[in-house]
Amino acid sequence: NAGVTQTPKFQVLKTGQSMTLQCAQDMNHNSMYWYRQDPGMGLRLIYYSASEGTTDKGEVPNGYNVSRLNKREFSLRLESAAPSQTSVYFCASSDLGLAGAGPYNEQFFGPGTRLTVL
Amino acid sequence: DQQVKQNSPSLSVQEGRISILNCDYTNSMFDYFLWYKKYPAEGPTFLISISSIKDKNEDGRFTVFLNKSAKHLSLHIVPSQPGDSAVYFCAANGISNFGNEKLTFGTGTRLTIIP
Repeated sequence: NAGVTQTPKFQVLKTGQSMTLQCAQDMNHNSMYWYRQDPGMGLRLIYYSASEGTTDKGEVPNGYNVSRLNKREFSLRLESAAPSQTSVYFCASSDLGLAGAGPYNEQFFGPGTRLTVL
Repeated sequence: DQQVKQNSPSLSVQEGRISILNCDYTNSMFDYFLWYKKYPAEGPTFLISISSIKDKNEDGRFTVFLNKSAKHLSLHIVPSQPGDSAVYFCAANGISNFGNEKLTFGTGTRLTIIP
């Protein structure tokens, strides 16, 4: 099993350009997440999808959109990139779902995408 | 409003000694806590967890302690090894406004083990 995969690994954009970060998991997990990691800020949740067909905002959703394409895939789109979106982006998946729906499980992370916006 | 705090950005420990990483939280509704380890250019990986109904969980060299009254948890690594050099994130599980479970992460502590 590949676990959680992300593409691309690196990307440089100019201000105003758009792009989509791709994420796929092969663990049959219900829930998927997008985080960004910035120095001194830890991991901050951008958007998540508790189950196929649902998406919800996290702590820092502004400037981003997401699509849960199917159970395996969860993409993150930057419509008009800004320098403030320079960061490392991590996708994760887990069986965490609706409260009380099942046992607690940890989140499994992809290797990350390092994005620079000039 | 940082609900999960790791006040030490970095920590250096001699190989073979004990490493103690600390984490504080403010939300008493958090019901499950996790520690993640992250190497450079890789995603975080799960290390150990503890339910809020327990005060200690041990897994090999790693032990997590939870003090609910103080809203404090700590990760003990003994003996510390060079491969333990990484960034460690504390995370707390809670319920979002939409009724879904989600993790809130601390800012991380960079642990360096000195040979």
